[in-house]
Amino acid sequence: DIQMTQSPSSLSASVGDRVTITCRASQSISSYLNWYQQKPGKAPKLLIYAASSFQSGVPSRFSGSGSGTDFTLTISSLQPEDFATYYCQQSYRTPRTFGQGTKVEIK
Amino acid sequence: EVQLVESGGGLVQPGRSLRLSCAASGFTFDDYAMHWVRQGPGKGLEWVSGISWNSGDIGYADSVKGRFTISRDNAKNSLYLQMNSLRAEDTALYYCAKEHTSMPTYFDYWGQGTLVTVSS
Repeated sequence: DIQMTQSPSSLSASVGDRVTITCRASQSISSYLNWYQQKPGKAPKLLIYAASSFQSGVPSRFSGSGSGTDFTLTISSLQPEDFATYYCQQSYRTPRTFGQGTKVEIK
Repeated sequence: EVQLVESGGGLVQPGRSLRLSCAASGFTFDDYAMHWVRQGPGKGLEWVSGISWNSGDIGYADSVKGRFTISRDNAKNSLYLQMNSLRAEDTALYYCAKEHTSMPTYFDYWGQGTLVTVSS
């Protein structure tokens, strides 16, 4: 199985900060990497697919990059509604493994 | 509007069975692969199982292989998860998710989940 490792597991940041979350795959997954946002009590929501493509309606402050084994989700200017948990997921192979999540909290 | 509505969760004793359902609407159900993803209390997302549009390709997480069975009824626009020999560690909120059709794939719509609690 492909293991997905996110870092950090949590972070504290202020509104307006630039935030970067990384995701590393245990083997190459090309660009088969998705990012989801989950708020408490809600279902996950797709933000970025294929490593760097925006889902419709996602604010432009979110961006994704990377290929192979190393990927990054960046929030250019953190907004109050961005405080949530973020998950990466590989869609290269079954099982479709997720990272363990990164919780973004208010500083 | 795409809607996925899960049902069938509840409190069940260890070793017993439960069948989850996911009713889909707002899209052509038999064009898309579907998946089950779960989230234990205070934990992250765990992919459980997936099924192709025609049920020809099915996969399971190692943690549920041999105990859970995924199926679908395209005539009823419904996805199912038969869960047997349930364990305490299967306690979770179970989501169904629709998979975008072309590669690279992703889960573009999720239901709100149905809660399964395994406890004596």
